[in-house]
Amino acid sequence: AQSVTQLGSHVSVSEGALVLLRCNYSSSVPPYLFWYVQYPNQGLQLLLKYTSAATLVKGINGFEAEFKKSETSFHLTKPSAHMSDAAEYFCAVSDTGNQFYFGTGTSLTVIP
Amino acid sequence: EAGVTQFPSHSVIEKGQTVTLRCDPISGHDNLYWYRRVMGKEIKFLLHFVKESKQDESGMPNNRFLAERTGGTYSTLKVQPAELEDSGVYFCASSQDMTFGYTFGSGTRLTVV
Repeated sequence: AQSVTQLGSHVSVSEGALVLLRCNYSSSVPPYLFWYVQYPNQGLQLLLKYTSAATLVKGINGFEAEFKKSETSFHLTKPSAHMSDAAEYFCAVSDTGNQFYFGTGTSLTVIP
Repeated sequence: EAGVTQFPSHSVIEKGQTVTLRCDPISGHDNLYWYRRVMGKEIKFLLHFVKESKQDESGMPNNRFLAERTGGTYSTLKVQPAELEDSGVYFCASSQDMTFGYTFGSGTRLTVV
């Protein structure tokens, strides 16, 4: 069975500070891993994906995530938070690519 | 290209009524998925179409939910009769190749009162 745990349902950072959103997964096979972002009143937008190529994945808007198999983690980071980064972030895992298992989401607040 | 379109964006219905949600995928995307997020919980898979065929409907909660995909184009998700626990946000997504990930719609927020 696959599952995703996102530690921290709410994270607050100051503008310009490091953003770190945590994601741990369980999967019996090498997984596909994704981060999605949802801005208010919008759909889910793909930030980045890991599909067994490079372990450090760069995404849009300056975000990146590192796949660590030994830790079963895929944490999302951004060196410097912008006000526009305020949104809800979802980590997802899939073994086939056809059914995604999502975490419960992390709401990011950026403090000016 | 146009994205995944869902409507209505919001629906408020009474318990026992019927509601039909619609999803228009990106043109040419054979794969269409429905997901649901109940408030505060994770986004959960409902079902997957490949063209007009149901590939996987293991996530459908019960037989009050009926999904169809006419001619492999748009899809509808009907809830009949609606119950209070059906409230949530229903997302549709489409893809041509899973290696690119899905493209999601904005969702339909369903409230059953």
